[in-house]
Amino acid sequence: QQQVKQSPQSLIVQKGGISIINCAYENTAFDYFPWYQQFPGKGPALLIAIRPDVSEKKEGRFTISFNKSAKQFSLHIMDSQPGDSATYFCAASETSGSRLTFGEGTQLTVNP
Amino acid sequence: EAQVTQNPRYLITVTGKKLTVTCSQNMNHEYMSWYRQDPGLGLRQIYYSMNVEVTDKGDVPEGYKVSRKEKRNFPLILESPSPNQTSLYFCASSLYRGKGQPQHFGDGTRLSIL
Repeated sequence: QQQVKQSPQSLIVQKGGISIINCAYENTAFDYFPWYQQFPGKGPALLIAIRPDVSEKKEGRFTISFNKSAKQFSLHIMDSQPGDSATYFCAASETSGSRLTFGEGTQLTVNP
Repeated sequence: EAQVTQNPRYLITVTGKKLTVTCSQNMNHEYMSWYRQDPGLGLRQIYYSMNVEVTDKGDVPEGYKVSRKEKRNFPLILESPSPNQTSLYFCASSLYRGKGQPQHFGDGTRLSIL
Protein backbone atom coordinates (compact mmCIF):
# COMPACT_ATOMS: atom_id res chain seq x y z
CA GLN A 1 0.00 0.00 0.00
CA GLN A 2 1.05 3.59 -0.55
CA GLN A 3 2.73 4.90 2.59
CA VAL A 4 2.74 8.44 1.28
CA LYS A 5 -0.49 9.69 -0.28
CA GLN A 6 -0.35 12.73 -2.54
CA SER A 7 -3.11 14.92 -3.95
CA PRO A 8 -4.25 16.20 -6.30
CA GLN A 9 -3.14 14.02 -9.18
CA SER A 10 -3.19 17.02 -11.52
CA LEU A 11 -3.47 20.76 -10.98
CA ILE A 12 -4.01 23.66 -13.34
CA VAL A 13 -3.18 27.15 -12.09
CA GLN A 14 -3.08 30.55 -13.74
CA LYS A 15 0.16 32.47 -13.88
CA GLY A 16 0.64 34.39 -10.66
CA GLY A 17 -1.59 32.08 -8.66
CA ILE A 18 -0.75 29.80 -5.75
CA SER A 19 -0.23 26.09 -6.35
CA ILE A 20 -0.85 23.80 -3.39
CA ILE A 21 0.02 20.10 -3.30
CA ASN A 22 -0.73 17.97 -0.27
CA CYS A 23 0.78 14.80 1.13
CA ALA A 24 -0.07 12.55 4.04
CA TYR A 25 2.04 9.80 5.54
CA GLU A 26 1.48 6.89 7.89
CA ASN A 27 4.89 5.89 9.20
CA THR A 28 5.64 7.94 12.31
CA ALA A 29 9.32 7.01 11.99
CA PHE A 30 9.62 9.22 8.90
CA ASP A 31 11.65 12.29 9.78
CA TYR A 32 12.79 13.72 6.47
CA PHE A 33 10.34 15.06 3.90
CA PRO A 34 11.70 16.23 0.54
CA TRP A 35 9.89 17.45 -2.53
CA TYR A 36 11.19 16.60 -5.98
CA GLN A 37 10.45 18.36 -9.26
CA GLN A 38 10.51 16.47 -12.55
CA PHE A 39 10.44 17.92 -16.05
CA PRO A 40 9.54 15.77 -19.06
CA GLY A 41 12.42 13.56 -20.15
CA LYS A 42 14.38 14.27 -16.99
CA GLY A 43 14.86 12.62 -13.64
CA PRO A 44 13.44 14.09 -10.45
CA ALA A 45 15.50 16.83 -8.84
CA LEU A 46 15.40 17.87 -5.20
CA LEU A 47 13.42 21.09 -4.79
CA ILE A 48 13.11 21.65 -1.05
CA ALA A 49 13.04 19.49 2.09
CA ILE A 50 11.90 19.77 5.69
CA ARG A 51 12.43 17.97 8.97
CA PRO A 52 9.64 17.63 11.57
CA ASP A 53 11.29 19.94 14.09
CA VAL A 54 10.00 22.95 12.12
CA SER A 55 6.49 23.70 10.87
CA GLU A 56 7.46 25.65 7.79
CA LYS A 57 10.40 26.11 5.44
CA LYS A 58 10.60 28.68 2.69
CA GLU A 59 12.98 28.90 -0.25
CA GLY A 60 12.12 31.64 -2.67
CA ARG A 61 8.62 31.06 -4.01
CA PHE A 62 8.48 27.53 -2.60
CA THR A 63 7.24 26.79 0.93
CA ILE A 64 6.74 23.50 2.75
CA SER A 65 4.20 23.46 5.57
CA PHE A 66 4.40 20.56 7.99
CA ASN A 67 1.80 19.33 10.49
CA LYS A 68 3.33 16.57 12.59
CA SER A 69 0.19 15.76 14.60
CA ALA A 70 -1.86 15.33 11.43
CA LYS A 71 1.00 13.57 9.62
CA GLN A 72 0.58 15.88 6.68
CA PHE A 73 2.80 18.22 4.72
CA SER A 74 2.23 20.41 1.73
CA LEU A 75 4.07 22.36 -0.94
CA HIS A 76 2.98 25.88 -1.76
CA ILE A 77 4.25 27.59 -4.90
CA MET A 78 3.62 31.30 -4.73
CA ASP A 79 3.36 33.47 -7.86
CA SER A 80 3.29 30.33 -10.02
CA GLN A 81 5.01 30.65 -13.39
CA PRO A 82 4.69 28.66 -16.63
CA GLY A 83 8.25 27.43 -16.03
CA ASP A 84 6.98 25.72 -12.87
CA SER A 85 4.92 23.35 -15.02
CA ALA A 86 6.26 19.93 -14.07
CA THR A 87 5.46 16.84 -12.06
CA TYR A 88 6.00 17.20 -8.33
CA PHE A 89 6.63 14.32 -5.97
CA CYS A 90 6.57 14.41 -2.21
CA ALA A 91 8.64 11.82 -0.41
CA ALA A 92 9.52 10.67 3.06
CA SER A 93 12.27 8.70 4.72
CA GLU A 94 13.87 7.93 8.00
CA THR A 95 17.19 9.79 8.16
CA SER A 96 18.82 6.64 9.40
CA GLY A 97 17.17 4.57 6.70
CA SER A 98 17.87 3.64 3.14
CA ARG A 99 14.50 4.02 1.49
CA LEU A 100 12.91 7.12 0.06
CA THR A 101 9.15 6.54 -0.21
CA PHE A 102 7.47 8.66 -2.86
CA GLY A 103 3.93 9.91 -3.27
CA GLU A 104 2.04 9.29 -6.49
CA GLY A 105 2.99 12.60 -8.09
CA THR A 106 1.12 15.75 -9.13
CA GLN A 107 1.24 17.10 -12.65
CA LEU A 108 1.18 20.89 -12.39
CA THR A 109 0.30 23.06 -15.36
CA VAL A 110 0.64 26.83 -15.04
CA ASN A 111 -1.20 28.65 -17.79
CA PRO A 112 0.25 31.94 -19.08
CA GLU B 1 29.87 17.87 -14.57
CA ALA B 2 28.38 15.85 -11.72
CA GLN B 3 25.91 13.41 -13.14
CA VAL B 4 24.22 10.02 -13.11
CA THR B 5 24.28 8.42 -16.56
CA GLN B 6 21.90 5.69 -17.64
CA ASN B 7 22.02 3.63 -20.82
CA PRO B 8 20.12 2.96 -22.91
CA ARG B 9 17.58 5.78 -22.69
CA TYR B 10 14.99 3.79 -24.63
CA LEU B 11 14.64 0.08 -25.27
CA ILE B 12 11.96 -2.05 -26.88
CA THR B 13 12.47 -5.75 -26.46
CA VAL B 14 10.60 -9.02 -26.19
CA THR B 15 9.56 -11.21 -23.30
CA GLY B 16 12.31 -13.41 -21.97
CA LYS B 17 15.28 -11.71 -23.62
CA LYS B 18 17.80 -10.78 -20.93
CA LEU B 19 18.70 -7.12 -20.73
CA THR B 20 20.91 -4.86 -18.66
CA VAL B 21 20.45 -1.17 -17.96
CA THR B 22 23.68 0.47 -16.95
CA CYS B 23 24.06 3.26 -14.41
CA SER B 24 27.21 5.21 -13.67
CA GLN B 25 27.87 8.16 -11.37
CA ASN B 26 30.94 10.40 -11.25
CA MET B 27 30.41 11.89 -7.78
CA ASN B 28 32.09 9.17 -5.72
CA HIS B 29 28.75 8.50 -4.04
CA GLU B 30 28.43 5.50 -1.75
CA TYR B 31 24.68 5.02 -2.03
CA MET B 32 22.95 4.06 -5.27
CA SER B 33 19.45 2.85 -6.02
CA TRP B 34 17.05 1.93 -8.77
CA TYR B 35 13.43 3.08 -9.05
CA ARG B 36 10.64 2.42 -11.45
CA GLN B 37 8.06 5.10 -12.22
CA ASP B 38 4.55 4.12 -13.19
CA PRO B 39 1.52 6.41 -13.69
CA GLY B 40 -0.44 6.86 -10.50
CA LEU B 41 2.14 5.01 -8.42
CA GLY B 42 4.98 7.49 -8.24
CA LEU B 43 8.49 6.09 -7.93
CA ARG B 44 9.03 2.78 -6.21
CA GLN B 45 12.42 1.54 -5.13
CA ILE B 46 13.61 -1.71 -6.71
CA TYR B 47 17.06 -2.26 -5.18
CA TYR B 48 19.63 -0.17 -3.43
CA SER B 49 23.32 -0.42 -2.60
CA MET B 50 25.05 1.19 0.34
CA ASN B 51 28.54 0.49 -1.00
CA VAL B 52 30.57 -1.88 -3.14
CA GLU B 53 29.34 -5.47 -2.83
CA VAL B 54 26.48 -4.38 -0.51
CA THR B 55 23.01 -4.51 -2.05
CA ASP B 56 19.50 -4.97 -0.67
CA LYS B 57 15.94 -5.21 -1.85
CA GLY B 58 13.64 -2.25 -2.08
CA ASP B 59 9.87 -2.33 -2.31
CA VAL B 60 9.48 -4.07 -5.70
CA PRO B 61 12.53 -6.32 -6.30
CA GLU B 62 10.79 -9.28 -7.98
CA GLY B 63 12.17 -9.99 -11.46
CA TYR B 64 15.24 -7.79 -11.07
CA LYS B 65 18.87 -8.27 -10.14
CA VAL B 66 21.64 -5.81 -9.41
CA SER B 67 25.35 -5.87 -8.75
CA ARG B 68 27.81 -3.36 -7.31
CA LYS B 69 31.34 -4.43 -8.18
CA GLU B 70 32.64 -0.88 -8.54
CA LYS B 71 31.63 2.21 -6.62
CA ARG B 72 30.61 4.17 -9.70
CA ASN B 73 28.50 1.51 -11.45
CA PHE B 74 25.20 -0.09 -10.47
CA PRO B 75 23.63 -2.06 -13.35
CA LEU B 76 20.04 -3.28 -13.29
CA ILE B 77 19.53 -6.73 -14.80
CA LEU B 78 16.28 -8.21 -16.05
CA GLU B 79 17.07 -11.85 -16.68
CA SER B 80 13.69 -12.79 -18.14
CA PRO B 81 11.74 -9.60 -18.77
CA SER B 82 7.96 -9.69 -18.81
CA PRO B 83 5.40 -7.13 -20.03
CA ASN B 84 4.62 -6.00 -16.46
CA GLN B 85 8.18 -4.67 -16.28
CA THR B 86 7.38 -2.11 -18.97
CA SER B 87 8.11 1.11 -17.15
CA LEU B 88 10.30 4.17 -16.79
CA TYR B 89 13.40 3.38 -14.74
CA PHE B 90 15.60 5.77 -12.80
CA CYS B 91 18.96 5.28 -11.19
CA ALA B 92 19.89 7.57 -8.32
CA SER B 93 22.89 8.17 -6.09
CA SER B 94 23.66 10.05 -2.92
CA LEU B 95 26.80 10.73 -0.96
CA TYR B 96 25.85 8.20 1.69
CA ARG B 97 22.83 6.49 3.18
CA GLY B 98 20.30 8.36 5.18
CA LYS B 99 20.95 11.63 7.04
CA GLY B 100 18.60 13.27 4.56
CA GLN B 101 21.10 13.17 1.74
CA PRO B 102 19.55 14.40 -1.52
CA GLN B 103 19.42 11.81 -4.23
CA HIS B 104 20.71 12.68 -7.69
CA PHE B 105 18.74 11.02 -10.46
CA GLY B 106 19.65 10.02 -13.97
CA ASP B 107 17.41 11.02 -16.87
CA GLY B 108 15.67 7.67 -17.02
CA THR B 109 15.40 4.60 -19.22
CA ARG B 110 12.08 3.82 -20.85
CA LEU B 111 11.67 0.06 -21.26
CA SER B 112 8.95 -1.57 -23.32
CA ILE B 113 8.64 -5.33 -23.03
CA LEU B 114 6.46 -6.85 -25.75
